[in-house]
Amino acid sequence: GNSVTQMEGPVTLSEEAFLTINCTYTATGYPSLFWYVQYPGEGLQLLLKATKADDKGSNKGFEATYRKETTSFHLEKGSVQVSDSAVYFCALPQGGATNKLIFGTGTLLAVQP
Amino acid sequence: DAGVIQSPRHEVTEMGQEVTLRCKPISGHDYLFWYRQTMMRGLELLIYFNNNVPIDDSGMPEDRFSAKMPNASFSTLKIQPSEPRDSAVYFCASSTRRYGYTFGSGTRLTVV
Repeated sequence: GNSVTQMEGPVTLSEEAFLTINCTYTATGYPSLFWYVQYPGEGLQLLLKATKADDKGSNKGFEATYRKETTSFHLEKGSVQVSDSAVYFCALPQGGATNKLIFGTGTLLAVQP
Repeated sequence: DAGVIQSPRHEVTEMGQEVTLRCKPISGHDYLFWYRQTMMRGLELLIYFNNNVPIDDSGMPEDRFSAKMPNASFSTLKIQPSEPRDSAVYFCASSTRRYGYTFGSGTRLTVV
């Protein structure tokens, strides 16, 4: 079945630093790919998505490009802020008739002032 | 739309007691998911429903856990009897095939 692997954290950065969180996937076909973010004390919320190969999803200064050649969907941001401190999850559908998503293990990002 | 609504936000109970967690999904969403999140195990899918019917409960840890969805606007997750190792944050999420998941704010359960 489909699966996703993301880099382990925590990732600690200074404010205005460049962020990359790696995510690679294994899938049948070309499913949609997602990044979710979980701020402290809250549930997960959709950050961005890409629905087909070479698509770029973007939101709040974050970007991720769906690369089928490398089966990757890395999350990037050019200049992080303290308010970006959160846990980030890469996800893709399990496949088949279900709407079930497969989540990565999550990467904790801590941004220091 | 108020989003996915979970109650209570916090629950503290004694070992052996019954605990019921509640979830109201977004109107029109035909999938509902229950997750558990702990530091040790991360995010775990417990069970999910499609059109109020349980589809996959393989993530339910043991018979002490049960979930119901009597109608499209309400679901419960029950733990009876509760144990300290059940302490976690429990999330409910709803979705449609076309749109992504919307998570609730979670219920933080502490069993003492």
